[in-house]
Amino acid sequence: EAQVTQNPRYLITVTGKKLTVTCSQNMNHEYMSWYRQDPGLGLRQIYYSMNVEVTDKGDVPEGYKVSRKEKRNFPLILESPSPNQTSLYFCASSLLGGEAFFGQGTRLTVV
Amino acid sequence: QQPVQSPQAVILREGEDAVINCSSSKALYSVHWYRQKHGEAPVFLMILLKGGEQKGHDKISASFNEKKQQSSLYLTASQLSYSGTYFCGTPSDIIQGAQKLVFGQGTRLTINP
Repeated sequence: EAQVTQNPRYLITVTGKKLTVTCSQNMNHEYMSWYRQDPGLGLRQIYYSMNVEVTDKGDVPEGYKVSRKEKRNFPLILESPSPNQTSLYFCASSLLGGEAFFGQGTRLTVV
Repeated sequence: QQPVQSPQAVILREGEDAVINCSSSKALYSVHWYRQKHGEAPVFLMILLKGGEQKGHDKISASFNEKKQQSSLYLTASQLSYSGTYFCGTPSDIIQGAQKLVFGQGTRLTINP
């Protein structure tokens, strides 16, 4: 089954404790992205990747890191999480110009 | 830079029609539409490309007018399953294409029996 898998689904952490949210897709898509979703603001792109070792900033990249060492994986790293990064995060993958397939989402709470 | 959707929310009875608009202050090259049900991930509905074409499936269709820099999503004879939040997404630049999508703030659609 074609899918994008994120882990964990829920995470509560403390300010400053490094964390990684994993994302994996099995569709051989070149493009992968991370979004955060906050009430009233819709989906905002954090980072995206056009292929292995090729990444670029989205609209809200501050406080986040990404890496793309394998085509299927695109982890999101928060080196020093802060409460304003409490949000619902989605990973997505697609072919060039095509529909985006979203993961199930990760609800992150930073206290 | 974020496209603007209107209305922000709409409540309908089953069988009624709805129109959701998406407009941009920048030139549009394509428009994506997604639906997100509560507690779930967004799901793709359709992509519209330059040329003013109208696409659709089932009773959901959309139009794209690049001159007016806007797109509209039409839901005809709405069903309970249409409830959710609808997002339009537009590429922020033509070079990166659809991969650097900027989404509108969403339109919450509620269908009552």
